[in-house]
Order: sequence, then structure tokens, then C-alpha cells
Amino acid sequence: NAGVMQNPRHLVRRRGQEARLRCSPMKGHSHVYWYRQLPEEGLKFMVYLQKENIIDESGMPKERFSAEFPKEGPSILRIQQVVRGDSAAYFCASSRDRGLEQYFGPGTRLTVT
Amino acid sequence: GQQVMQIPQYQHVQEGEDFTTYCNSSTTLSNIQWYKQRPGGHPVFLIQLVKSGEVKKQKRLTFQFGEAKKNSSLHITATQTTDVGTYFCAGEVHNNNDMRFGAGTRLTVKP
Repeated sequence: NAGVMQNPRHLVRRRGQEARLRCSPMKGHSHVYWYRQLPEEGLKFMVYLQKENIIDESGMPKERFSAEFPKEGPSILRIQQVVRGDSAAYFCASSRDRGLEQYFGPGTRLTVT
Repeated sequence: GQQVMQIPQYQHVQEGEDFTTYCNSSTTLSNIQWYKQRPGGHPVFLIQLVKSGEVKKQKRLTFQFGEAKKNSSLHITATQTTDVGTYFCAGEVHNNNDMRFGAGTRLTVKP
């Protein structure tokens, strides 16, 4: 069984550009979570989605960041007009149901130049 | 704000020494999960504890869930260099179903 897939693994963007990060959950998982991790730091919760619905976006910055999990296709984390402070590793995780163990993808390492 | 606190932030041990990381919550947790992230890798699920006072073991790792379901610990006996990484706890806030991660404890092991 394929695990959680994330692409791209590495993404370089110039300030002001848009970054689109994709996450395909494990087969049979309909719950997706996005986390941001700065170097040498912990995981910061950003958003929790279930198919076509945002359940909890309390960790998302109010501006420039958005997330979706459409009925078909991967979950997308979109960062508009990126700034240097957005440089981080972005991990996606999925679970079969709420409160169950989360399976993490390999992450997308975003670098803003 | 941060609902799950984890200490210590860093721990350096000599190979063969024991290691413990603690997780504390201001609110009752329905369950707690532990994850390990190797340097450069992604978090990997280790275990989930659900019952008050529960203790589970995985080889040299012992996980405990407090009686009040507000704290948990992970203890590693006789650390090895393969234990290097960051250990995260994640608590499901009671009646909320949202999992919140602690900041992690980064373990380094000197051979």
C-alpha cells in the first residue's frame, strides 16, 4: 500500500510567487492534516480537512494561506505571495478517522529566495 | 495557544543511559499518541494510549498515560544511537477530537 504522498519534495520560490503543495492521503483515509515545521523546531498544526470540508483551520495564517481537499484529487496547500518567513518543511498527514494515528508524508521543503 | 507541553526540549545522553520525555496538558485528553522523527525524516507513529493509568511497552520503550489523563511519559532504557531523533507526543483534547502536538524532545546519543 502506498503511504502518504507529497509533491514536490523540494520547492524553491522567489518572494511574491505562489507555492502549491500537494498531498495524496493513504488509501481509505479521508482525514488530512497539514503541519509546518521550521528547522530544529516542532510541528505546528495548520489545518485539518475532511473530504470537501475544512474542519479546523485555527493554525492557518489569516492571509495568503489556503487549503482544500476536493472530492477528487489530492489536498492542496496554497501559499500566495510567499515571503522568506514561509520557508519551512510542510508535512501532510492522513488518518482513517478522527483521533486515530496519523500517517505522515515525506514533506515538502519550501525555500523562498 | 499551545495545549500540550513537552519537556525537556533537548536531551543529550551517553549511549547506554536512560532517557525520559514528559508530556503535559492543561485539559483532560481522550487519548495520547507518540511519534518519532529521525533527523531529516518525517514523524512516524509509535503508539497510542487510551486508558487512564495505561502502560505499554515496545522493547526498550515504555509509555505511560497518567491517572488523570493529563500527562504522559516515554522512557527509553539503555539508549542506543538508533534512538536519535525527536519524540513528539500528540494529545486528543477531550470531546474535541482535535489532536495537538507537543513541541517535541530532541534526543542525541553519544556513542
